[in-house]
Amino acid sequence: QQQVKQSPQSLIVQKGGISIINCAYENTAFDYFPWYQQFPGKGPALLIAIRPDVSEKKEGRFTISFNKSAKQFSLHIMDSQPGDSATYFCAASWGAQKLVFGQGTRLTINP
Amino acid sequence: NAGVTQTPKFQVLKTGQSMTLQCAQDMNHEYMSWYRQDPGMGLRLIHYSVGAGITDQGEVPNGYNVSRSTTEDFPLRLLSAAPSQTSVYFCASSYLRGGTEAFFGQGTRLTVV
Repeated sequence: QQQVKQSPQSLIVQKGGISIINCAYENTAFDYFPWYQQFPGKGPALLIAIRPDVSEKKEGRFTISFNKSAKQFSLHIMDSQPGDSATYFCAASWGAQKLVFGQGTRLTINP
Repeated sequence: NAGVTQTPKFQVLKTGQSMTLQCAQDMNHEYMSWYRQDPGMGLRLIHYSVGAGITDQGEVPNGYNVSRSTTEDFPLRLLSAAPSQTSVYFCASSYLRGGTEAFFGQGTRLTVV
């Protein structure tokens, strides 16, 4: 059972455009929603995270939008750059850190 | 600080062989976990530990064993390798309280032939 569903699987965006990746979850007990960025040959690294008591969190060009009633959250990358080309994973957890990951999105930013 | 260190980086096994993937962290994190990453399936939790001497199963534990004798080390053992265990394995660590950043190692790419 996939508790966190992520879409799209792959995404191509022009440089300077907005990249949007969506996730939906099922377990209403989840209380922490991070996004991880992974470059080829590397382990995932935390990009940005949000708790369900806020609807949006912004860090630089990266924004998480959170819709608790719809059980959905999304990552927006503004002014996308070639260096943002990577695989992005949404995740969710409750209590102490049993992270459940989405399937991943391979993002390509064309120069 | 080295963070989370995994060895080896690459490994080829024959079906039926056993091996241990090593994971060590130097951040004094209580929580450690092992994930496998397969195309289109994200990262799936194999086993996790909330402290020395305490381990538990994750989503896909079959064919794997773990132990946690120290805070720093969390090895993953493949008892009898099967082609279905061909994957990239990641170890992660974090503080035990929820909502804290999980730090991942560089991964071990395992091929079982």
